[in-house]
Amino acid sequence: EAGVTQSPTHLIKTRGQQATLRCSPISGHTSVYWYQQALGLGLQFLLWYDEGEERNRGNFPPRFSGRQFPNYSSELNVNALELEDSALYLCASSRVGSGRSDTQYFGPGTRLTVL
Amino acid sequence: GQQLNQSPQSMFIQEGEDVSMNCTSSSIFNTWLWYKQDPGEGPVLLIALYKAGELTSNGRLTAQFGITRKDSFLNISASIPSDVGIYFCAGQEATGNQFYFGTGTSLTVIP
Repeated sequence: EAGVTQSPTHLIKTRGQQATLRCSPISGHTSVYWYQQALGLGLQFLLWYDEGEERNRGNFPPRFSGRQFPNYSSELNVNALELEDSALYLCASSRVGSGRSDTQYFGPGTRLTVL
Repeated sequence: GQQLNQSPQSMFIQEGEDVSMNCTSSSIFNTWLWYKQDPGEGPVLLIALYKAGELTSNGRLTAQFGITRKDSFLNISASIPSDVGIYFCAGQEATGNQFYFGTGTSLTVIP
């Protein structure tokens, strides 16, 4: 069974541009989570999508947005890029059940560099 | 959002030594997960715990779900150089599906 996949592996942009990152969850998983991990730091929660809807977002400005498609894959968009947006962006997926315990699996990440 | 307290922040140990790290939360969790992350890669799931008091092993790794449901522990026995990396705990509250992460423990194993 294929794991969580992310593309591209690396992305280089300049300040003010827009970046689009993509994620495909494990087959059968309906929830997708996005995290930002700046160099040497922990995971900062960005967004959570389930069944095509945004369920929660972290403490990030509105220029961080995304969506989830009918096939449960997801896109993260970052507008008006700033230098401090340079980080490893991680996607994770889980199978959400009503109240049952769950496990989250991560993709390899997209390294975004803003020049 | 909630941030889990993970300690220690970093560890430098000799090859062959045992390692212990822990995570605490301010609320009750129904799931505890432990991950290892190598530089520039995504975290890899090591152990998942779903019941208070549960003790689960994965090779030289053993993790426990605390009885209070507000903490978890990870032990690594007889450490080897490839254990080097950052270990993260993660928890899921009983009331929701969002996961919260610890700040990470950086492990260095000296051969």
